[in-house]
Amino acid sequence: AQSVAQPEDQVNVAEGNPLTVKCTYSVSGNPYLFWYVQYPNRGLQFLLKYITGDNLVKGSYGFEAEFNKSQTSFHLKKPSALVSDSALYFCAVRDRSSASKIIFGSGTRLSIRP
Amino acid sequence: DARVTQTPRHKVTEMGQEVTMRCQPILGHNTVFWYRQTMMQGLELLAYFRNRAPLDDSGMPKDRFSAEMPDATLATLKIQPSEPRDSAVYFCASGLGQDSYEQYFGPGTRLTVT
Repeated sequence: AQSVAQPEDQVNVAEGNPLTVKCTYSVSGNPYLFWYVQYPNRGLQFLLKYITGDNLVKGSYGFEAEFNKSQTSFHLKKPSALVSDSALYFCAVRDRSSASKIIFGSGTRLSIRP
Repeated sequence: DARVTQTPRHKVTEMGQEVTMRCQPILGHNTVFWYRQTMMQGLELLAYFRNRAPLDDSGMPKDRFSAEMPDATLATLKIQPSEPRDSAVYFCASGLGQDSYEQYFGPGTRLTVT
């Protein structure tokens, strides 16, 4: 069975500092991995995905994520945080079978202080 | 700017009443997902459809919930009878293709059952 874990409920970072939101996964075979962001009173928005190829994936709003197969991780990163990055972030995983569904993590609330 | 639409945005109803939520996926998308989000359970997949056929509804309480796609432009989620524990935000999302790497979420329906 596939699963995804976000070990931190909340991450606090000062504006301008780098940020990391952690994600680890469990799936049979090679995974598809995703990050989504949710702003207050909105639906989730797609940020980026890893399907194959380069382990460093670049996405929207200056975010990137690094796929690490040996550590089964897919941490979200940004070199310099903005106050507007404050939101709820979800990591998601699915395996490569055609009928597989995406499993979302529990979410990490990112708070950027000015 | 294509987007998923959901109606109603807010619904307050009394226990025992029927609730119907509607979703219009992005035109041309062939996969539709229903999710429920609560503080306690996070984001749960209730059901999803591909080419209007239900692929998985294992996340849905069968005795009171039902999901259908009468046509390619409309998905419905019904609760009958509703209970206070059904209070949540219900999201619809749509995607394209067999893999539906990216899901596009609607704004959600906030349901309160008193």
